[in-house]
Amino acid sequence: EVQLVESGGGLVQPGGSLRLSCSASGLTFSNYAMHWVRQAPGKGLEYVSGISSNGGDTHYADSVKGRFSISRDNSKNTLYLQMSSLRPEDTAVYYCVKDYTSWYYFDYWGQGTLVTVSS
Amino acid sequence: EAVMTQSPATLSVSPGERATLSCRASQSVRSNVAWYQQKPGQAPRLLIYAASTRATGIPARFSGSASGTEFTLTISSLQSEDFAVYYCQHYNNWPPWTFGQGTKVEIK
Repeated sequence: EVQLVESGGGLVQPGGSLRLSCSASGLTFSNYAMHWVRQAPGKGLEYVSGISSNGGDTHYADSVKGRFSISRDNSKNTLYLQMSSLRPEDTAVYYCVKDYTSWYYFDYWGQGTLVTVSS
Repeated sequence: EAVMTQSPATLSVSPGERATLSCRASQSVRSNVAWYQQKPGQAPRLLIYAASTRATGIPARFSGSASGTEFTLTISSLQSEDFAVYYCQHYNNWPPWTFGQGTKVEIK
């Protein structure tokens, strides 16, 4: 059974930084692209970032480009999202998401980790 | 970049009735559309991919269809566990992987 478990969320001040992690199990992690999707309180889903199976190709939403960095460690079955220059509008639940293969639909989602940006 | 527009925003349906949810793409996305279900406090779950293929374990009462840039999710006979928010998404000409704004299916 595929499991994705996010960690690293919390309260951070505007302008601060935070690193999210996603530990994956039940799959050959290195075979799949992975993504981060977020959901602000009471709002819809917003795509944040994605990374290819070998980490060589990355994509970012315009809203986070230049501030967020996605990476992965296939030896540890772990996906990361380094977030810097955080803004109040980055407040959301961040979901770790598995791609069906490479750049397709999203077939497994973690339970999410809440990031709150507030002074 | 294709924009996905869902309608209606809220759909009030009685248990046992049919629910029809719509999603329109602003340009061709071929059949590269997925539907997700999200219940309160839970992560989204994949229902449909390739516009009309049910994901593993999804009941047959859920079906998807497409006509040009119009995509439809139909729930043939609503069960209590189906009241949720539904999102469409395209994965054509990525990035970005754009979601619709969601349709909330509520009990009438």
